[in-house]
Amino acid sequence: EVQLLESGGALVQPGGSLRLSCAASGFTFSSHAMSWVRQAPGKGLEWVSGFSDSGSSTYYADSVKGRFTISRDNSKNTLYLQMSSLRAEDTAVYYCAKGYCSSWGQGTLVTVSS
Amino acid sequence: DVVMTQSPLSLPVTLGQPASISCRSSQSLVYSDGNTYLYWFHQRPGQSPRRLIYKVSNRDSGVPDRFSGSGSGTDFTLRISRVEAEDVGVYYCMQNAHWPWTFGQGTKVEIK
Repeated sequence: EVQLLESGGALVQPGGSLRLSCAASGFTFSSHAMSWVRQAPGKGLEWVSGFSDSGSSTYYADSVKGRFTISRDNSKNTLYLQMSSLRAEDTAVYYCAKGYCSSWGQGTLVTVSS
Repeated sequence: DVVMTQSPLSLPVTLGQPASISCRSSQSLVYSDGNTYLYWFHQRPGQSPRRLIYKVSNRDSGVPDRFSGSGSGTDFTLRISRVEAEDVGVYYCMQNAHWPWTFGQGTKVEIK
């Protein structure tokens, strides 16, 4: 069974940094594209960042480009999202998703506020 | 970026009746491999999204056959043949034919 467990969400001040983690199990992690998708309170889904199928290329939404960095450790079956220069509009539940979003974690809440 | 436009944004439905959601993309979602990369998701209140349909018309494992997807190019539709109470929530379309991947605004389905 595919399991994705996000962690690292917290309350952080504007301009601050945070690193999210997503521990994956139940599938061959290194063989799959992986993404981060977020959902602001009461709003819709926004794709944030992801790895291509090959795992060699990374992509970002314009809203986070230059501030967020996606990475993965295939030896630990873990996906990361390093977030810096955080803004109030980054407040959201952050989900990690496997492949073409075929499976999702439960999400981790990031709140950016002073 | 590819803009995904859903309609309607709110859909009151009667139990047992059909329902239909439209999704239009600002660019063709046909990739160079010939596949069309359009997906549908369902999110119940307080839950994570769940994928229902992949590549336009393929149901994911465990998805009831009352759900169907159709369309081509830039125009797509999700249909529910007979709405059940568990179908309430928000439905999203998503494209990954082009980076960055993009979602539609969501369609909220509720029972009349």
